[in-house]
Amino acid sequence: EAGVAQSPRYKIIEKRQSVAFWCNPISGHATLYWYQQILGQGPKLLIQFQNNGVVDDSQLPKDRFSAERLKGVDSTLKIQPAKLEDSAVYLCASSPQLGSTSISYEQYFGPGTRLTVT
Amino acid sequence: KNQVEQSPQSLIILEGKNCTLQCNYTVSPFSNLRWYKQDTGRGPVSLTIMTFSENTKSNGRYTATLDADTKQSSLHITASQLSDSASYICVVSPRLYGGSQGNLIFGKGTKLSVKP
Repeated sequence: EAGVAQSPRYKIIEKRQSVAFWCNPISGHATLYWYQQILGQGPKLLIQFQNNGVVDDSQLPKDRFSAERLKGVDSTLKIQPAKLEDSAVYLCASSPQLGSTSISYEQYFGPGTRLTVT
Repeated sequence: KNQVEQSPQSLIILEGKNCTLQCNYTVSPFSNLRWYKQDTGRGPVSLTIMTFSENTKSNGRYTATLDADTKQSSLHITASQLSDSASYICVVSPRLYGGSQGNLIFGKGTKLSVKP
């Protein structure tokens, strides 16, 4: 089974520029997550999709961050304009179902995109 | 406030030695607790998942314990190998009304370095 794919793996931009990240989840997974992981910290949830609908975007800085999952499969996260504090690894994860009581409810993470804003 | 605290922040051990990583959480009510391994430049990979009714779970050389009364968990690594060098993240999921799982709450991780 192929894992979660992300691209690019690395990106360096100047502040105030725009950047977009792409994620392709595991085939058949209904739920997709974007996390931001600052160096030395645990991941922080930015947005959660169930199919092509947003379930939780309460921690997404909506003045500069946007995300979409138009066809309920792959997803794009955009930052416009970028700030220095956006330097982080952006992780995408997917899971088969949302909010299950089963302990088999698991999130599978991609390798991440490391963003450096200079 | 739901929080997950891990200790130590970093740890260096010699190959072949054992070690134990600690996790304290304040998440309540609690659904499950996971330990993830994150290699440098990679996404986290799940090692163990325990519900509130379980107090130990093993995965090869990794053994996780859980004390739901004291809200503490530990991850014990036996006979460490160089490939165990990674960050180990404790993750707790709250239990929502109706019994479903809430969003994962991540600790900051413990960075383990295994030296030859």
